[in-house]
Amino acid sequence: QVQLVQSGAEVKKPGASVKVSCKVSGYTFTAYHMHWVRQAPGQGLEWMGTINPTSGRTSSAQRFQDRVTMTRDTSTSTVYMELSSLRSEDTAVYYCARRMWVRRGYSYGPGDYWGQGTLVTVSS
Amino acid sequence: EMVMTQSPATLSVSPGERATLSCRASQSVNDNLAWYQQKTGQAPRLLIYNASTRATGIPARFSGSGSGTDFTLTISSLQSEDFAIYYCQQYNKWPLYTFGQGTKLEIK
Repeated sequence: QVQLVQSGAEVKKPGASVKVSCKVSGYTFTAYHMHWVRQAPGQGLEWMGTINPTSGRTSSAQRFQDRVTMTRDTSTSTVYMELSSLRSEDTAVYYCARRMWVRRGYSYGPGDYWGQGTLVTVSS
Repeated sequence: EMVMTQSPATLSVSPGERATLSCRASQSVNDNLAWYQQKTGQAPRLLIYNASTRATGIPARFSGSGSGTDFTLTISSLQSEDFAIYYCQQYNKWPLYTFGQGTKLEIK
């Protein structure tokens, strides 16, 4: 079965970086793009970016473009999201989510399988 | 800027009754809209994509409708496990993957 397993909770100081991993199994890693979505405490969902595991090409929300780096390791079927220059407002649960193919020839789609989430706490 | 607005913010419904949740886009998203359910402490669960197609394993009591800017998620007969927060998300226009702010469905 499809599984996305994320790395454990992190506590970081302001200004530091955090790198969250998402290891997948149960499907061909390169066949599906991967989203990263975050959720601040008590708040809604926010898309951060998407990575193409085949090419490594990424697209990200404008507000994160200069701070987020998404990478992948095809040998271990793992994607990574690194967020730099952390501030308290980055305290959130970070999710990876597999981007489903909704129709032939259409390159965008929602997340059909999700990781369990990784809590990142930014505090001095 | 694409904005997704969900209403109401909170909906109180009794078990067994019908719930109707709304999502409005500030510009047309065609039918490129998804609905998710999220329970406390859990990851979101995809319910509906392409505005009206149920995702794998989703019960038939969940249905989606709409196109363009106005969308509806209907739960025909609420079960206890349906009380949760529901989000809509567009995947049509930049900024891609904009979410609504959520509707909390609570027991009346």
